[in-house]
Amino acid sequence: NAGVTQTPKFRILKIGQSMTLQCTQDMNHNYMYWYRQDPGMGLKLIYYSVGAGITDKGEVPNGYNVSRSTTEDFPLRLELAAPSQTSVYFCASRSSNQPQHFGDGTRLSIL
Amino acid sequence: EDQVTQSPEALRLQEGESSSLNCSYTVSGLRGLFWYRQDPGKGPEFLFTLYSAGEEKEKERLKATLTKKESFLHITAPKPEDSATYLCAVAAGAAGNKLTFGGGTRVLVKP
Repeated sequence: NAGVTQTPKFRILKIGQSMTLQCTQDMNHNYMYWYRQDPGMGLKLIYYSVGAGITDKGEVPNGYNVSRSTTEDFPLRLELAAPSQTSVYFCASRSSNQPQHFGDGTRLSIL
Repeated sequence: EDQVTQSPEALRLQEGESSSLNCSYTVSGLRGLFWYRQDPGKGPEFLFTLYSAGEEKEKERLKATLTKKESFLHITAPKPEDSATYLCAVAAGAAGNKLTFGGGTRVLVKP
C-alpha cells in the first residue's frame, strides 16, 4: 500500500497563476482532508470530505476549491495564486473511528 | 471555537534527560485527543489517541496522559532519534470529523 500520495512535491508559481495539487489514497478511506502548514506553525484545515460527492469548508477555505468525484482522489485547486498561499500543503485520509494518515506534503512557493 | 495550545514551543534536551510536553485544550464535547510526530520534510505520523480523562497510552519512550483540560506527552530517557516536532490535535463536536491542531513543540535531543 502506498498510503496517501501527494503530487507534486515542490512547485513554484507566479502570482495569478492557477494549479491543482493532487492527493490520492489507496486505503478506501471515506474521509479526506486538506491542510496548510506555515513555518513553525501547526496545521490549519482548508477543506474536507466525508465521502465521494461531499465536501465542506474548514478553517481557511478562501482562495481554494476542492472536488471529490471518487473515493481515492481529493484534488485541491488554487485559481489565482497569491503570495499568502505560500505554504506546505498536506493531504490526509482516514476511515471511521481511526486516526488520520498524512501524505508527505507539497511545498508551494508563490512569487 | 475549539482551541489547542502547546508548550513549550521548543525544547532542547540532553540524551537521557526526561521531560514533558503540554497540550491545553478548550473544546465543546471532546471526541478524542491525538498526538502526532512530524520529522522535517515529512507529514505527521500518528502516535496516540486518548478519549477520556485519566486515560494513558505508552509507546517505547513516550507516554501520553489526559485530563479534562490538558494532555501531557512524557519523554523518558530520550535519544537523539526522538528529535522531532510533536503535534497535538483534538476532535470535538457532534460529528468529530475535523481536527484542530496546536502549534507544536520542536524537540531537539543532543547526544
